[in-house]
This record gives sequence, structure tokens and C-alpha cells, in this order.
Amino acid sequence: DADVTQTPRNRITKTGKRIMLECSQTKGHDRMYWYRQDPGLGLRLIYYSFDVKDINKGEISDGYSVSRQAQAKFSLSLESAIPNQTALYFCATSDSGQGIGNEQFFGPGTRLTVL
Amino acid sequence: QQQVKQSPQSLIVQKGGISIINCAYENTAFDYFPWYQQFPGKGPALLIAIRPDVSEKKEGRFTISFNKSAKQFSLHIMDSQPGDSATYFCAASKTFGTYKYIFGTGTRLKVLA
Repeated sequence: DADVTQTPRNRITKTGKRIMLECSQTKGHDRMYWYRQDPGLGLRLIYYSFDVKDINKGEISDGYSVSRQAQAKFSLSLESAIPNQTALYFCATSDSGQGIGNEQFFGPGTRLTVL
Repeated sequence: QQQVKQSPQSLIVQKGGISIINCAYENTAFDYFPWYQQFPGKGPALLIAIRPDVSEKKEGRFTISFNKSAKQFSLHIMDSQPGDSATYFCAASKTFGTYKYIFGTGTRLKVLA
């Protein structure tokens, strides 16, 4: 089945460590997104990419960077993790094709804990 | 202008009751309003969506009511079931140009058996 996968699913790391979260999709979608979910704050957009050569900052990009290695792969990096980056991270994809609508398809999430 | 305000933060409903979640937006350029449903341990998934050219959209037990003049929209879950217990997010987006969503803060719904 076409899907959005995220690795790892859970990660515990220490303050100051570099960490990468990976997202892969088999949906053939051109648009990919990284969100962070915190209780009471909902889903907030970190970065998004509308094609391989396009990278855009979302509303909370500070402390994060991304790489779009291929149409199907979009990675999120924390160069120097800090405790307030402890959260649930989601990757999502969407299709820019006409008639598809704006539906975004989410991965299962990565639970990140920074000690 | 970019916020979407969602209420309540949590909701407890008896089985068979009606669950109502409300959202309000500010940017009149938004023209696509989806609701996403998230079960524990899963990513959000599209439940139902509406565009502002209609005031109501119904899919099974789920209905979106849309009030363009008030810049508000709401999700109604009729005959709520324990299996509806989840977190619900409203969102707003522009159809043309970028497809970014602005999400509400979420409502945790619990339906008691």
C-alpha cells in the first residue's frame, strides 16, 4: 500500500546531540511537510517543500533544518537538540495535482524526547 | 490573521449524544476548511472538509456547518460512539498558491459507553 513512513518511531536523546528524523513516501506526492505536535498547541508547521528544489520555513523553523533528498524523502534535523524540542513530530504529504483537493496524508509520527 | 481558534479543548459526551466542536478563523482568503481525526499513536487523517460556497456538508454521522459571515465553522458528530473517541483538529487553507494548513489547537473527544 502507498504510505508515509517515519523513522525512528521513538527516540530519546540528550541535550546538544544532533538528531535526524526521516520521512519516506510511496504516494508519488510532490509536496511534503514536517509538523510538530504539542499538547494544547495543536499541529505547527516546521518546514515544507513543494518539490525537490523547494524548501520553505514554516511558523516554527528555528532550531531545525531539513533536506529533500528525493521526491520521496524529506528529513528533519535538530542540529543541537534542546529539551523544549521534546514533542511528537509528523511528516505529511500532499499532491499538487488538480482535482485532488488539499488533503494531506500524515505519517505515524516520531516521539522525540530530549533529556 | 493566520490563527484558527478551536474550542473546546476537551469534550466528554455520552454514547448516542451529539458532539460539537467549534472553530473560528480570521483570514477571509481561506477557502478550504478540513477536519482531521487522530487516534492515539496514529497520525491525523482527513475526516471531512468544506469549501465556503456551501453552508453545510454531511458525511454519515459527521456534519460541517459553515458560517462565512461569522468566519466560523463547526463539526457535529451525531449519535456519538465510543469509537469516535479521538482528537479532532480543524484547519484552514487557501486553495490557490500555497497549500499550507493553519491548524486549530485540537479537541480531545471522549465518548462514554
